[in-house]
Amino acid sequence: AQSVSQHNHHVILSEAASLELGCNYSYGGTVNLFWYVQYPGQHLQLLLKYFSGDPLVKGIKGFEAEFIKSKFSFNLRKPSVQWSDTAEYFCAVAGPPGGSQGNLIFGKGTKLSVKP
Amino acid sequence: DSGVTQTPKHLITATGQRVTLRCSPRSGDLSVYWYQQSLDQGLQFLIQYYNGEERAKGNILERFSAQQFPDLHSELNLSSLELGDSALYFCASSVDASGYQETQYFGPGTRLLVL
Repeated sequence: AQSVSQHNHHVILSEAASLELGCNYSYGGTVNLFWYVQYPGQHLQLLLKYFSGDPLVKGIKGFEAEFIKSKFSFNLRKPSVQWSDTAEYFCAVAGPPGGSQGNLIFGKGTKLSVKP
Repeated sequence: DSGVTQTPKHLITATGQRVTLRCSPRSGDLSVYWYQQSLDQGLQFLIQYYNGEERAKGNILERFSAQQFPDLHSELNLSSLELGDSALYFCASSVDASGYQETQYFGPGTRLLVL
């Protein structure tokens, strides 16, 4: 069964600090990878996605993620965080179609708190 | 705003009751997905419908059921409610059925509290 691990439950940073959130997935085949963000009281929004091609993916709001197949990882990065980045971040993986588990498997999420 | 709408926003009910959550997908999207978000289980996929047909099933309890109507809106029915069913229920939609190279767009969710 596929699974997604997010290593940090809660990350606290000061503004302008650099961010890296870890994500590892278990599926060994071809995967599509996503990072979603959930701002307080809001719905999930897509930050970025990887389907194929360049393993360094750029998303919205200055976020990027790197797919490293050999490490089964898809870490999220931002060079300089802002207070408005305070949110919960979810990594998700979609495996090949037809799986009984459904189409999108989420990690438990990482809460990011940015201090002004 | 993702274009996915969900009603109601909040729902408070008692154990043993039945509720219906409603979702309207983005214009043009044929697939609807339901997810449950709880503190202990995180975000879990429940079920997917594509163009009126059940497409994939996840960790959905037998007390829960869903359907997608000809106008593509979907309803999630939760019955014999238990305290542990208290959660945020999200609906998402995508254009196609596979979910594989699809981007799912999420609605604002329905927060269910079972007392």
